Amino acid sequence: DAGVTQSPTHLIKTRGQQVTLRCSPKSGHDTVSWYQQALGQGPQFIFQYYEEEERQRGNFPDRFSGHQFPNYSSELNVNALLLGDSALYLCASSFGLAGIYEQYFGPGTRLTVT
Amino acid sequence: AQSVAQPEDQVNVAEGNPLTVKCTYSVSGNPYLFWYVQYPNRGLQFLLKYITGDNLVKGSYGFEAEFNKSQTSFHLKKPSALVSDSALYFCAVKGSSNTGKLIFGQGTTLQVKP
Repeated sequence: DAGVTQSPTHLIKTRGQQVTLRCSPKSGHDTVSWYQQALGQGPQFIFQYYEEEERQRGNFPDRFSGHQFPNYSSELNVNALLLGDSALYLCASSFGLAGIYEQYFGPGTRLTVT
Repeated sequence: AQSVAQPEDQVNVAEGNPLTVKCTYSVSGNPYLFWYVQYPNRGLQFLLKYITGDNLVKGSYGFEAEFNKSQTSFHLKKPSALVSDSALYFCAVKGSSNTGKLIFGQGTTLQVKP
C-alpha cells in the first residue's frame, strides 16, 4: 500500500519564477493538505482540499494556490517566488474532513529559491 | 488563537532510561492532539493521537502520551529510550470545530545516547 508520494524531491528556482509541486495521497484518502516547513521550524498550514475545492486556508498570500484532481491527487503552485519561499513543502492526506482522523505526510519537496 | 508550545528545544536521555517530551496547548473547545516524529530529510510520521476517552493513549514504537485537561498538556513518554528514537518530535493540535488545520509546535530534538 503506497503512502503519500510527492514530486519532485528537490527543486531550485530563481526569484520571480513559478513552481508546481505534486502530491498523490495515500490509498483510500480523499483529503489533501499542504504545509510549509522552514528550516528549524514546525510545519505551517497552507491550505486543504476536499472534493476538488479549497476548504480551509492558512495565513499565506494569494501567490500560493492549489488544485485537487478527481483522483484526489493535488498540486501546489507558487507564483512570483521570493527567497523566503525556500522551505520543505509537505503534503498530507487523510480521510474526509472530520478532525478526528490523523494526517499522513509525504517525504516533502525541498524548494530552494536563489 | 490556537497554539502549541514545546518548551524544550532538546531533550537528552541515556538509552534505557525513561523519556518525556513536553507539550502544552491553547485551543478553544475540545482539542484534538497529535504527536509526530521527523527523521532527517524525511516527512513526518504519525505516532499517536488523543481525540476523546482515556487520558493515556498508546501509539507506535512503544510511545504513549498523557492528556491533562487542567494543565492543557499532552506530554509524550516512553518507558525505555532507544538510540534509534533520536529524532525531531512535533506536537500538534486542532480544535474540534476545525476541519483540517494542524497547528504545530516548534519541535523538540530528542537525543538518546548509548
